Amino acid sequence: DAKTTQPPSMDCAEGRAANLPCNHSTISGNEYVYWYRQIHSQGPQYIIHGLKNNETNEMASLIITEDRKSSTLILPHATLRDTAVYYCIVRLLFKPANAGGTSYGKLTFGQGTILTVHP
Amino acid sequence: DGGITQSPKYLFRKEGQNVTLSCEQNLNHDAMYWYRQDPGQGLRLIYYSQIVNDFQKGDIAEGYSVSREKKESFPLTVTSAQKNPTAFYLCASSILGESSYNSPLHFGNGTRLTVT
Repeated sequence: DAKTTQPPSMDCAEGRAANLPCNHSTISGNEYVYWYRQIHSQGPQYIIHGLKNNETNEMASLIITEDRKSSTLILPHATLRDTAVYYCIVRLLFKPANAGGTSYGKLTFGQGTILTVHP
Repeated sequence: DGGITQSPKYLFRKEGQNVTLSCEQNLNHDAMYWYRQDPGQGLRLIYYSQIVNDFQKGDIAEGYSVSREKKESFPLTVTSAQKNPTAFYLCASSILGESSYNSPLHFGNGTRLTVT
C-alpha cells in the first residue's frame, strides 16, 4: 500500500467547511483513496472513496489532484459531532479469491488527523 | 438492522489466560478482518478471512488465532503467547466479488481488552 501523510491535528469552527489534506505521493494507478473517521472508542466509519475523479456523497466531498499525489476531504458544514480522527488510506486493488492470487482488501491505517470542531 | 456485533465491549483477564473475542455479522459479507488499535495509533491487521474455513495472517498475527467455521462469525483468540495483549480490538467485514473490488470495510464498535 502507498503510504499516506496527514497533519496530526486541525481545528474548525462549527458551521464552516473543514478541509482535511492527505499526501499519497507513491500511489499507483489502481489504488483508490479511502477516507474513514473514528469517534472515540468506536469502530471506524467509512466516509468516501475515489480513484481519480472528485466524489461527493451525503457526508463529504473528496477532491483528488490531477496527478493523484494528494487529496482533500471536505466536510462542507462541520458540526460538533464531526469531531473525530480522520484517516486517509490508499487501498490495494482487491482480487477475489476465485480469481487467483492472494491480494486482499487490506486497509493500512496511519495515525490520521484529529479534527476538533469548536462552537 | 444489518451490522457487525462485537462482544463484550470491555473484557478483563489475568495474564497467562487465553481469551476469545466474538465477532458476528449479518451483512452476508464474505470477508472478515481483525484489527488491533493501541492508544494514539492507527489500526494494524491481525488476521483476515475471505471464505469459510480459510484465513490468512495479517501484519501482527503472532500470539493470536482465529477460526471461520461460519460465514457470519470470525472469533479471535488472544493467547498467552501474545506479549502485549491489552488493546482495542476491531472486527470488520466487506463484500467480495468482481463487482465489489473496492467495497468499503464495515467495522464493529470494538472490544477493549485489559490484561493484568
